[in-house]
Amino acid sequence: KNEVEQSPQNLTAQEGEFITINCSYSVGISALHWLQQHPGGGIVSLFMLSSGKKKHGRLIATINIQEKHSSLHITASHPRDSAVYICAVTPIIQGAQKLVFGQGTRLTINP
Amino acid sequence: NAGVMQNPRHLVRRRGQEARLRCSPMKGHSHVYWYRQLPEEGLKFMVYLQKENIIDESGMPKERFSAEFPKEGPSILRIQQVVRGDSAAYFCASSPDSSYGYTFGSGTRLTVV
Repeated sequence: KNEVEQSPQNLTAQEGEFITINCSYSVGISALHWLQQHPGGGIVSLFMLSSGKKKHGRLIATINIQEKHSSLHITASHPRDSAVYICAVTPIIQGAQKLVFGQGTRLTINP
Repeated sequence: NAGVMQNPRHLVRRRGQEARLRCSPMKGHSHVYWYRQLPEEGLKFMVYLQKENIIDESGMPKERFSAEFPKEGPSILRIQQVVRGDSAAYFCASSPDSSYGYTFGSGTRLTVV
């Protein structure tokens, strides 16, 4: 079992819909990250969370440390939001600084 | 501030050749991380370096792979005697220290033919 699990793996929606992507993890963490990757492109860091909720434009990220769960929400989705969204954690293991990644959620927003 | 610069963007090597991937971190960032994304797979940690030191190389294959981050110049990921299974996207990320978020480069797509 992966230490970081995302759902769904694939998500197709219509422009304007509210989008939720979920991430569950099984290890103690110092931080959780949400990343965005466009096809053939680089990786953009969207959020780094250790508690609570963060908002940036139409993107909202929440984390529940007790339940080891995070969600990424996109309001008023747009075709340009189509990308792979990746959840990653920094485990609290032996001072580890590396990221452990989920498999990603491929989001397609149709006009 | 040019961000994290990786070059080349695309690299084609024949089996048995050497591949050198370069990563220049953001200005002021002394922590560098290399990650590999195999086709249709998720990202995997390879190595974490600070200037002139390898801090964690637990994700590096035991043979043919090496990394360095010299006092001057970019971090280098070196793959000797490449094989088809090394074909992947290699991403570099940097941070000012371990408590900050990461900035990723655009990656190097390595194709071994």
